[in-house]
This record gives sequence, C-alpha cells and structure tokens, in this order.
Amino acid sequence: AAGVIQSPRHLIKEKRETATLKCYPIPRHDTVYWYQQGPGQDPQFLISFYEKMQSDKGSIPDRFSAQQFSDYHSELNMSSLELGDSALYFCASSLGASNEQFFGPGTRLTVL
Amino acid sequence: AQSVTQLDSQVPVFEEAPVELRCNYSSSVSVYLFWYVQYPNQGLQLLLKYLSGSTLVESINGFEAEFNKSQTSFHLRKPSVHISDTAEYFCAVIPSYSGAGSYQLTFGKGTKLSVIP
Repeated sequence: AAGVIQSPRHLIKEKRETATLKCYPIPRHDTVYWYQQGPGQDPQFLISFYEKMQSDKGSIPDRFSAQQFSDYHSELNMSSLELGDSALYFCASSLGASNEQFFGPGTRLTVL
Repeated sequence: AQSVTQLDSQVPVFEEAPVELRCNYSSSVSVYLFWYVQYPNQGLQLLLKYLSGSTLVESINGFEAEFNKSQTSFHLRKPSVHISDTAEYFCAVIPSYSGAGSYQLTFGKGTKLSVIP
C-alpha cells in the first residue's frame, strides 16, 4: 500500500539558510500534519492542514511557514535556520481530521 | 489540552521475559489512544490503537494494551520479548472528535526498551 512520502530524507544546511521540506500524503488523504522530533525528544506538533486550510497550530516558530496545495501535498518552509532546528521532521496524513495518522519516514535536518 | 506520561524512560529486560510499558494520560475530553514504535534512525510506526469497543487491543507481533478509563491508563504489554523488540515506544493521544478543535497527537516522552540476550 502507498505510504506517506517525504523529501528529501536528509538535508544539511548552514545557519541562517532556508530549507523546504515536502510531504506527499497517502492517496485520498485530505489532512496533513507536521511534527518535529529533536534529538532524544518526543515528537512535537507543529501545524496541520485539512482540505488546504490550516486546521491547527502548535509550537511552530514564526520563522517557519507551511501550506497544503491543491493536490494535498504539503511543504514546510523554514527560514533563518538555527542550530536548534536540527531535528527529525515527520509528516503524517489522515482521511479527515482527528483520525488515525499515518507517518512518513521523516526528513533529518542538520543545521551546521 | 491533553498530556501523556510514560513513567519509565528506559526499560531493560531479558529476552523471552515479559514486559510492561506504562502510559497514563490526562484529558478533559474523550480521546483515542495509540502506541507507536520507533526503531533506531527510523520513523514512527503504529503498533496498536484504541478507538472504541473492546478495551483490550492487540498487535500482530504479540503486543497488547488495555485501556482503563478509570485509571486513565493505556499500558503496553508483551508476555515474551524478542531481541527485535528493542526500540523506543511512544504512547500518544488525540481528541476523539474533530469538534474538540485540536487535531494534534500528543506524545509521551517515550520509553526505550532494551532486550538483553
């Protein structure tokens, strides 16, 4: 069965650079979620989209923005990167909100 | 708002011994409960879930968890662990209806299970 696809899988950036992470949900899933997992930490919710509209917002820094496109894929844009942004970024998708979320393999971002 | 407490950050256990990973939650609304497993350098995989119905849920690889509403717990158990069960396990909750206005999974801090040969 098709799963959630995230690209790139690994990304290395310098401080103050920008990064764009992409997420392709499971076909027919209309809801996308972004989570950040720092080293040795539990995943923290950043933001979610339902039918291309932001549905919930968590601890997402102002330097980050995200959107969901007409084909339901989502992009997380991160600017002015800081060392503390180094983490594993997960995307998850679901059919409808507040339902079982299926996670992608994650993008490991390293900021040097 | 919801919160999840995993009482043990690390659990070492000998191979073929039983194990219990504890999870307690707090929520002002009804929730769905999940256990996710994360193998080293990998993503999150759903292990099992409680949505409704029988309070005892099972996974295909021998894990089970029991939802206890009065104790607000969702402990994970396995009667005999294998080396391949070595991983980090996360308990998570989400409001059970979209009208709660929150769509985010709230995770516990995780429990690292180490199976000793």
